[in-house]
Amino acid sequence: DIQMTQSPSSLSASVGDTVTITCRASQYINDYLNWYQQKPGKAPKLLIYAASSLERGVPSRFSGSGPGTDFTLTISNLQPDDFATYFCQQSYSIPFTFGPGTKVDIK
Amino acid sequence: QVQLQQSGPGLVKPSQTLSLTCAISGDSVSNNRGGWNWIRQSPSRGLEWLGRTYYRSKWYNDYASSVKSRITISPDTSKNQFSLQLNSVTPEDTAVYYCARHSDFDEHWFDPWGQGTLVTVSA
Repeated sequence: DIQMTQSPSSLSASVGDTVTITCRASQYINDYLNWYQQKPGKAPKLLIYAASSLERGVPSRFSGSGPGTDFTLTISNLQPDDFATYFCQQSYSIPFTFGPGTKVDIK
Repeated sequence: QVQLQQSGPGLVKPSQTLSLTCAISGDSVSNNRGGWNWIRQSPSRGLEWLGRTYYRSKWYNDYASSVKSRITISPDTSKNQFSLQLNSVTPEDTAVYYCARHSDFDEHWFDPWGQGTLVTVSA
């Protein structure tokens, strides 16, 4: 199985900040990497697919980079609605696996 | 717009079978391109993909090795839904369970998701 790690596990930021979350795969996964946002009590919401493609309706302040083994999710001009937990997921091979999450909270 | 609506009990006794259903609107369980997945989330295991069913002229399944001996995911074409059965549950199976779609052959990202069902395994 492909193991996914994320760093940091949590971070504190202010509205207007730019934050970067890193996701690392245990092997090369090309651009088969997706990002989700989850708020308490809700299902994850797809933000970015194929490492850098923005899901329809997701604000352009979200961006992703890849491919390879190391990926980043960047949120520019952080907004109050962005305080949430973010997960990466590899779709390179079965079983599809997720990172442990990065919680972004208000400083 | 595709929507997934989950149903099923929130409490299951140890050694019994966990059964959940995911009703689909706006798409067909039999579409020849996507796939229908079950994913669970717990504090100890995080987000864990459990398996999927999909149709490519016939029905196929893939399962995670961690549950392969206990899991069945099956479609119900008459009701346009799919279901999860997990046998011989233990308290470690306590989690929020989600159904989710991946929309195309090589597009294994999950969207949309069902609303989630908290399943507690307890006597």
